[in-house]
Amino acid sequence: EIVLTQSPGTLSLSPGERATLSCRASQSVSTTYLAWYQQKSGQAPRLLIYDTSNRATDIPDRFSGSRSGTDFTLTISRLEPEDFAVYYCQQYGTSPLYTFGQGTNLEV
Amino acid sequence: QVQLQESGPGLVKPSETLSLTCAVSGGSISSDNWWSWVRQPPGKGLEWIGEIYHSGSATYNPSLKSRVTISVDKSKNQFSLKMNSVTAADTAIYYCTSNGWYCLDVWGTGATVTVSS
Repeated sequence: EIVLTQSPGTLSLSPGERATLSCRASQSVSTTYLAWYQQKSGQAPRLLIYDTSNRATDIPDRFSGSRSGTDFTLTISRLEPEDFAVYYCQQYGTSPLYTFGQGTNLEV
Repeated sequence: QVQLQESGPGLVKPSETLSLTCAVSGGSISSDNWWSWVRQPPGKGLEWIGEIYHSGSATYNPSLKSRVTISVDKSKNQFSLKMNSVTAADTAIYYCTSNGWYCLDVWGTGATVTVSS
């Protein structure tokens, strides 16, 4: 089973700043198989990024994803007040098919 | 766009069976798409439970496979989750989702299930 480790656990920033969230895989993950989700308090997760760098429908372009080896990054270029939430990375694998990182809490 | 809505009992006794249904609207469950269940214990992260295709073919998380059954009802445009022998560790918010390109692209609002006597 591929394990995804997200860092940092908590990221404290202010509106207008740039956020960089990391997701490291324990073994090689196909670029195609990595996604990111945003979960606001009391809400269901929402798909942000799939296929490492493709934005989902209606996701603003301040959200971007990238990869370097087994390290995947979600970048929010300029934080808006509504961006403060928990972010999860997810990979598609063999068994189990979907696994998630433990989450990064982006707080003000 | 497809919308999903979970329903089912909010309280289940230990050792009994948890049963939830996900109603699909705005699309057909018989489309070329897989459908999943995901859960989230209070204050914790996300765990994928399993997925199903409209043919009835299902795949499960090995950690839960012995206790879980996911089924589909095409006549009602819905799919269901059953989990037997529940314990307090199964207390969670249960989400149904539609599967996108190696991701989970549409999520229901979630159903809170508490396991307690």
